Amino acid sequence: GAVVSQHPSWVICKSGTSVKIECRSLDFQATTMFWYRQFPKQSLMLMATSNEGSKATYEQGVEKDKFLINHASLTLSTLTVTSAHPEDSSFYICSARSGFADTQYFGPGTRLTVL
Amino acid sequence: AQTVTQSQPEMSVQEAETVTLSCTYDTSESDYYLFWYKQPPSRQMILVIRQEAYKQQNATENRFSVNFQKAAKSFSLKISDSQLGDAAMYFCAYRSFGNEKLTFGTGTRLTIIP
Repeated sequence: GAVVSQHPSWVICKSGTSVKIECRSLDFQATTMFWYRQFPKQSLMLMATSNEGSKATYEQGVEKDKFLINHASLTLSTLTVTSAHPEDSSFYICSARSGFADTQYFGPGTRLTVL
Repeated sequence: AQTVTQSQPEMSVQEAETVTLSCTYDTSESDYYLFWYKQPPSRQMILVIRQEAYKQQNATENRFSVNFQKAAKSFSLKISDSQLGDAAMYFCAYRSFGNEKLTFGTGTRLTIIP
C-alpha cells in the first residue's frame, strides 16, 4: 500500500518551454501533496504544499507563477514549470499524505533537464 | 524554526556488521514525529522507520532500530546485519504535530563494504 507514482520519470526540454509533471497516489486518497526539489548530493527542499481543491501554499523564495501547482483531485497533483530555464534543471519529487496519516509517501521523482 | 542535523556526511560498514547513523534536532515543541528515510541510487525515497515523540519505547523495524533520546534531542538509526541493499543516502526528518511539513537533515551516505 501507499504507492505514489510520478510521470514522466525523465524529461528534457528547450529553454522557454513549459513542462508538466504528474504525481498520483495509486492506492489511497491524498488530501495533501507536497512538491520538493533536490539538487545533486543535497537534501530535499520543500517547494509547496497543496491540499485538494485549494490553492497551493508556496515556501518562501519559490516563484508561484513559475511553478504552477494544481491539486484537482484526491489522487492527482501536477507541477508545471513554466518558461523553463537551465537553472530549473533539477530532480523534482512529490509526496502524498492521507488525511489521517502522519507519514508522507514519496514518488520516484522526475529528472528535469532544460537545454 | 526546527532544524535537523546529520553530522556524518558519509559512513561505511562491513557487510553483516552494525552501523549507527546520528541525527540531532532542535525544537521547542513537545509533540512531534521523527523519521528516517532511505534514498537508494534509484532516488526513490523510502520510509525506513518512524517515531512518535510521546512514545518512550524506541521504534524497531526488523534490522532497523532507533535510539530516541528526547531530552538530548537525538534520534540515531541503528542498522544491524548490514546488507548490500542498505547502501543509500539516509535522511533524518522532523515533523511537528500540528504541521504537515517535513524538515530534512542533510543526509548521510552509507556504503556497504562486501
